Parts: sequence; structure tokens; C-alpha cells
Amino acid sequence: GDSVTQMEGPVTLSEEAFLTINCTYTATGYPSLFWYVQYPGEGLQLLLKATKADDKGSNKGFEATYRKETTSFHLEKGSVQVSDSAVYFCALSPRGSARQLTFGSGTQLTVLP
Amino acid sequence: DGGITQSPKYLFRKEGQNVTLSCEQNLNHDAMYWYRQDPGQGLRLIYYSQIVNDFQKGDIAEGYSVSREKKESFPLTVTSAQKNPTAFYLCASSGGHSRVTTNEKLFFGSGTQLSVL
Repeated sequence: GDSVTQMEGPVTLSEEAFLTINCTYTATGYPSLFWYVQYPGEGLQLLLKATKADDKGSNKGFEATYRKETTSFHLEKGSVQVSDSAVYFCALSPRGSARQLTFGSGTQLTVLP
Repeated sequence: DGGITQSPKYLFRKEGQNVTLSCEQNLNHDAMYWYRQDPGQGLRLIYYSQIVNDFQKGDIAEGYSVSREKKESFPLTVTSAQKNPTAFYLCASSGGHSRVTTNEKLFFGSGTQLSVL
């Protein structure tokens, strides 16, 4: 079945450091790929998405590129802020399915001032 | 403001008791979902509903039940058959009701933390 594998956390960075959170997936066909963010005590919010190979999703300084050849969708940000501290989830949505998202296990990011 | 409201924020269950978690949305979305989140794990799908009066089991439906009598509401009951109910429960909705996903984003509520007394 479909699955998403994220790099294990927690990840701790200093403010203005470069961020990479790795995400790889297994799916049949051509799924859509997402990054969601969860702030403490809250639900998830969509951060960015990409629906086909080589698409780049971007939002709030975060970027991720849909790499079909490596089945990856790594999240990057050039300069993190304390306010970016949250849990980040990679997810996929298979085409032709009514079941919506399959999530990775999440990566806790803490940014220190 | 449109959105999804989950209540209560915290809920405690006694052994052998059924409890119901509320989820209401005013986004006019057709599809609604329930996920369970355990520490260090991703979200797992419990039930989903593509349209009123219809719902489907997700990956971990045992010990749970749902109803979808109204478009706006999708309550989840955690029954006494669920032996490990302590978790964070998230409700979500999306606009699409087609059997083919539209790749629309999910809108999430703020969650209910259920604990066992």
C-alpha cells in the first residue's frame, strides 16, 4: 500500500539556519504530495503541495519539489525563525482514491533564538 | 468565520463508557474525516464520509462508530470496545465529494485530547 517516510526528529536549529526535512514515498501511479504543519495544541494546516512531477510547492519561505525519479518531496527553508517551531507532516493523496491523505510520522522542529 | 469546530478540547473516559466527540463545519464541504494521532506517529484514518448518510471505514475503525445525518456534522463515538482510546483526535473536511479525489486540501479542526481515567 501507499506509505510516507519522514526523517526522524526531533530537529533543533538556531534561528536563521537552513532547514531540510526529508520525505520519501511509496505509491502506485502519480500521487499528489503535501506538507502540513501542526502548531502546539492545534490541528494541521496545509503548508504547500505539488500535484505532478517536477512541480515545486512554496509558501512562507518553505519549498518542496516533487521528484518522481527519487520518489521524494523534501521540505526546505533557507532561514528558519523561532515561529517555525512546529511538527511537520509529509503526506500523499493517491489519484482516483476517495480516501484522501496518507501521512508520515511527523518531524518535530524546534528553532532556538 | 468559516471553519471546523471540535468539542470538547479535552475529554476523559471511564472504563466501559462510550464517549462522543463533536465535529461541526460551516464550510459547506461534502467530505469529512476522522483521524487519530498518537505521539511520534502520523495520523491514521478512522472513518470518512464523502456525502450525507454515507461513510466508510478507514484503517483503524474497530471500536469506533460515526454518523453523518447532516452535512455540517460528523460525530465520532469511541465505544467501550476501543481498548486503547487515549489519543489526540482530529476532524477534517474537504470540498470534494467525487469518488475521484480532487486533490483539494483538508481543513482541520483544533482537535480533542481523549484520556482514560
